[in-house]
Amino acid sequence: DAGVTQSPTHLIKTRGQHVTLRCSPISGHKSVSWYQQVLGQGPQFIFQYYEKEERGRGNFPDRFSARQFPNYSSELNVNALLLGDSALYLCASSYLQGDLNTEAFFGQGTRLTVV
Amino acid sequence: GQSLEQPSEVTAVEGAIVQINCTYQTSGFYGLSWYQQHDGGAPTFLSYNALDGLEETGRFSSFLSRSDSYGYLLLQELQMKDSASYFCAVRLRPGRRALTFGSGTRLQVQP
Repeated sequence: DAGVTQSPTHLIKTRGQHVTLRCSPISGHKSVSWYQQVLGQGPQFIFQYYEKEERGRGNFPDRFSARQFPNYSSELNVNALLLGDSALYLCASSYLQGDLNTEAFFGQGTRLTVV
Repeated sequence: GQSLEQPSEVTAVEGAIVQINCTYQTSGFYGLSWYQQHDGGAPTFLSYNALDGLEETGRFSSFLSRSDSYGYLLLQELQMKDSASYFCAVRLRPGRRALTFGSGTRLQVQP
């Protein structure tokens, strides 16, 4: 079975540009969450989508946006890139939103470098 | 704000037992999870405690005390492949579905 897949795996952008990261959840999973992980830190929550609707948003500026498609895949968009946006961006999928088992399955992430 | 405290680094030898502690101060609490992350890899789920007590899964066990806002991950019979970062994570409630992660504990297993 395919796990959570993210593309691209690595990306280099310059300041001011925008970027789109993509995520395909595990088949049957309807909830997708995005996290940012800076080197040496734990993942920080950016967004959660469930059934194509935003269900949660972390403390990130409006330059960050996301959406979920009818097939439950998702995109994370970041505009006006800053050097501080350099990080590993992780996508996680789960079967049910808020179920007792909080297991989230993470993808390998997209390593974004802003120069 | 929310905070989860973990030791930054732990070193142990192969075959030993190690305990990684996590204390949390959060506005809500809906269970404590543990994730393992190898360098360059994705976080992978290890265990989850919703109620007080010990949960055992093979060589790994996790404990929670809600009254103390404290939990730990216990790794037994350490193997070299256990060298990784370990994160505790809290799911807040009500209505918050996201996981709030600690900064992680880097475990180095030595021969």
